[in-house]
Amino acid sequence: NAGVTQTPKFQVLKTGQSMTLQCAQDMNHEYMSWYRQDPGMGLRLIHYSVGAGITDQGEVPNGYNVSRSTTEDFPLRLLSAAPSQTSVYFCASSYYKSGGLGEQYFGPGTRLTVT
Amino acid sequence: AQTVTQSQPEMSVQEAETVTLSCTYDTSESDYYLFWYKQPPSRQMILVIRQEAYKQQNATENRFSVNFQKAAKSFSLKISDSQLGDAAMYFCAYTGAGSYQLTFGKGTKLSVIP
Repeated sequence: NAGVTQTPKFQVLKTGQSMTLQCAQDMNHEYMSWYRQDPGMGLRLIHYSVGAGITDQGEVPNGYNVSRSTTEDFPLRLLSAAPSQTSVYFCASSYYKSGGLGEQYFGPGTRLTVT
Repeated sequence: AQTVTQSQPEMSVQEAETVTLSCTYDTSESDYYLFWYKQPPSRQMILVIRQEAYKQQNATENRFSVNFQKAAKSFSLKISDSQLGDAAMYFCAYTGAGSYQLTFGKGTKLSVIP
């Protein structure tokens, strides 16, 4: 099993450009999520999905779009990149057991710089 | 909204010694789950330990154990016999039973001194 994969590992964008961060998992997890990690801020939830066709907002959703057409894939789109979106982005997946989230499996992260 | 507080931005420990990282959380829920994650310099997030709030017994995983004080809303991580490979950022996290959201603290950077 590859687990959770993310591409690219590094990306530099100019302000106003758009791009998609890719995330895929091969563990048949229902739940997938995107976080951003900024220095001194921990990880903050951007968007999450509990299954194909079902997405919802997390703590910091502005400027990001998601969709989930398959169980395996959960891409994150930046429509018009801003310097405030410079961050490290993590994708994670887990089972959703009765009563709560299971162990989150994280991808290796994408370091995004917006100039 | 739930909040998770890690009051120690940085800590250090001598190799082979014991260190405790603190975490407090704020919630009105009675059923929830708490986690400690480790992030080494490689950036990969790794689950260290998971605690279910309805279980009185503190979770342990080899050299890692927690002190879960539900009434005090405290969830500290004890690392025994510290090793150089334990040097990392450690994040405490909370999710309510039935919730789809995981809330992280800001992290504690642990250094291990040889």
